[in-house]
Amino acid sequence: SQQGEEDPQALSIQEGENATMNCSYKTSINNLQWYRQNSGRGLVHLILIRSNEREKHSGRLRVTLDTSKKSSSLLITASRAADTASYFCATVRGETSGSRLTFGEGTQLTVNP
Amino acid sequence: DGGITQSPKYLFRKEGQNVTLSCEQNLNHDAMYWYRQDPGQGLRLIYYSQIVNDFQKGDIAEGYSVSREKKESFPLTVTSAQKNPTAFYLCASSNPLATRYNEQFFGPGTRLTVL
Repeated sequence: SQQGEEDPQALSIQEGENATMNCSYKTSINNLQWYRQNSGRGLVHLILIRSNEREKHSGRLRVTLDTSKKSSSLLITASRAADTASYFCATVRGETSGSRLTFGEGTQLTVNP
Repeated sequence: DGGITQSPKYLFRKEGQNVTLSCEQNLNHDAMYWYRQDPGQGLRLIYYSQIVNDFQKGDIAEGYSVSREKKESFPLTVTSAQKNPTAFYLCASSNPLATRYNEQFFGPGTRLTVL
């Protein structure tokens, strides 16, 4: 089963609205990362949150982490058409911060102009 | 420019043929990874290497092979033993010793189609 599972699978919003995507995981983690993938391209790292952090901001991105619920959310504020992409969460398990990543299946975000 | 490159962008293969996908990075990263992505799905780890001349199997290594003779290069061979090789293949690199948290940098991908 997937370590990271995103919800919803697909999200369609209007430009200017906020977009919220959720990620749940099953085992303890060292950190959780969010990546973006434009259609047919490689992934781009967006933001990382460590297991001892609860919230992190980067520009229009806000990430929260609730280790008691084993879940994270990614909020994109004031969305733009250029934000249209797939968004993946990825977890690094256990104690070792440099361990391999395990990816979820992603949320496809469409921002309509 | 520093970065990670993959070639070719599109690759077509006949059933029964082996094919090698190239991945090169000039980021001086120690670790490199190969992932497979099927339509509408997430990434699954095929192989990874944390140092030159060493590599480990990921979750779906069967039918694939790799080598890591140079720090910059991590080629992936898709063998005829791979039952369903048509997919999008992504290479990534990272420097977990330097960054501590294993953020990965990705190449643009190779789309492999078996005819």
